[in-house]
Amino acid sequence: AQSVTQLDSQVPVFEEAPVELRCNYSSSVSVYLFWYVQYPNQGLQLLLKYLSGSTLVKGINGFEAEFNKSQTSFHLRKPSVHISDTAEYFCAVSDSQGGKLIFGQGTELSVKP
Amino acid sequence: DAGVIQSPRHEVTEMGQEVTLRCKPISGHNSLFWYRQTMMRGLELLIYFNNNVPIDDSGMPEDRFSAKMPNASFSTLKIQPSEPRDSAVYFCASSWGTAKNIQYFGAGTRLSVL
Repeated sequence: AQSVTQLDSQVPVFEEAPVELRCNYSSSVSVYLFWYVQYPNQGLQLLLKYLSGSTLVKGINGFEAEFNKSQTSFHLRKPSVHISDTAEYFCAVSDSQGGKLIFGQGTELSVKP
Repeated sequence: DAGVIQSPRHEVTEMGQEVTLRCKPISGHNSLFWYRQTMMRGLELLIYFNNNVPIDDSGMPEDRFSAKMPNASFSTLKIQPSEPRDSAVYFCASSWGTAKNIQYFGAGTRLSVL
């Protein structure tokens, strides 16, 4: 069975500071990894995904994530955050067999001026 | 494209009543997913369809929940009878093809059962 653990439920950070949101996964098979963002009262939007190839993946809004197979991690980073990045971020995993996504519990990113 | 469309956006009902949530996936997508989001349990997959056929309903909480997809452009999630613990935000998502592909989410239905 697959599972996803987001290590921080809340991350407060000041504007223009760097941020890292941590995600670890557990799976016995090859996986695909995703980061989604949820703004207040909205559905989820894809930030980026890792399928194969380069372990550094770039997404929208200046975010990037690095796949680390040995550490089973897929941490999300941004070098300089904006107030508008305030949202909840979800890490998710799926296997190659089907479309089922398993989500982590989410990390609430709060960017302060 | 209009994206995934869910209705209603908000639903308030009394315990014991039947509730029907509706979803129109993105045209051309052949997979549809129903999720439930609560503070306690986070985002859970309830059921998903591929080519209108239910593939995995292991997340459906109990017999009070049922989902149908009569055609490629419409799905419903029904709760009968509803209970206060069903209060949550219900999301529908759709995608094309396999696990590699992005799931596009609707804006959700916020359900309150009093």
